Amino acid sequence: AQSVTQPDIHITVSEGASLELRCNYSYGATPYLFWYVQSPGQGLQLLLKYFSGDTLVQGIKGFEAEFKRSQSSFNLRKPSVHWSDAAEYFCAVDNTGGGNKLTFGTGTQLKVEL
Amino acid sequence: NAGVTQTPKFQVLKTGQSMTLQCAQDMNHNSMYWYRQDPGMGLRLIYYSASEGTTDKGEVPNGYNVSRLNKREFSLRLESAAPSQTSVYFCASSDSPVKPLHFGNGTRLTVT
Repeated sequence: AQSVTQPDIHITVSEGASLELRCNYSYGATPYLFWYVQSPGQGLQLLLKYFSGDTLVQGIKGFEAEFKRSQSSFNLRKPSVHWSDAAEYFCAVDNTGGGNKLTFGTGTQLKVEL
Repeated sequence: NAGVTQTPKFQVLKTGQSMTLQCAQDMNHNSMYWYRQDPGMGLRLIYYSASEGTTDKGEVPNGYNVSRLNKREFSLRLESAAPSQTSVYFCASSDSPVKPLHFGNGTRLTVT
């Protein structure tokens, strides 16, 4: 069965510091890959997605992610974190060829210290 | 532009009661989805509707039924609620299978 692993449940960074959130998946082929962000009491918002092509993808709010096939990883990065980035971040995969039947990771809660 | 609207926002049920969660989108999207979110489990797909008139089971469909009433509306029904169905329920829609999901703000359901 497909699975998505986000090994870090909680991460705390200082404002202005760099950020990397980890995501690993287990599939035979390259799935469609996503990062979503959820602010308290809100639904999820898409940050970025990878379908094919350039393995470094840019998203909204200054986020980027890099697909590494050899490591089955799709880590999310941001060079300088802002206090407003505090939220929960979910990695998701779709191995149904774009059917949008996503499998989500368990999420990483980001806290930003001022 | 409302996007995806879910009602109600909060609901408390007793075991065995029934209820319907409503979802409507105003983006003319073809596909609609119901997810549940539980602590430490991420989001899991309950049911989805690829287009008006079709529905299919997701990962955790037991105890739920859905109706795609028209292109705008996709409801989720709990016929006999159980404490295990205590969760936050999210509806989402998409223009097409390869387009990103747009989520509502969720319904927080507690079953006692």
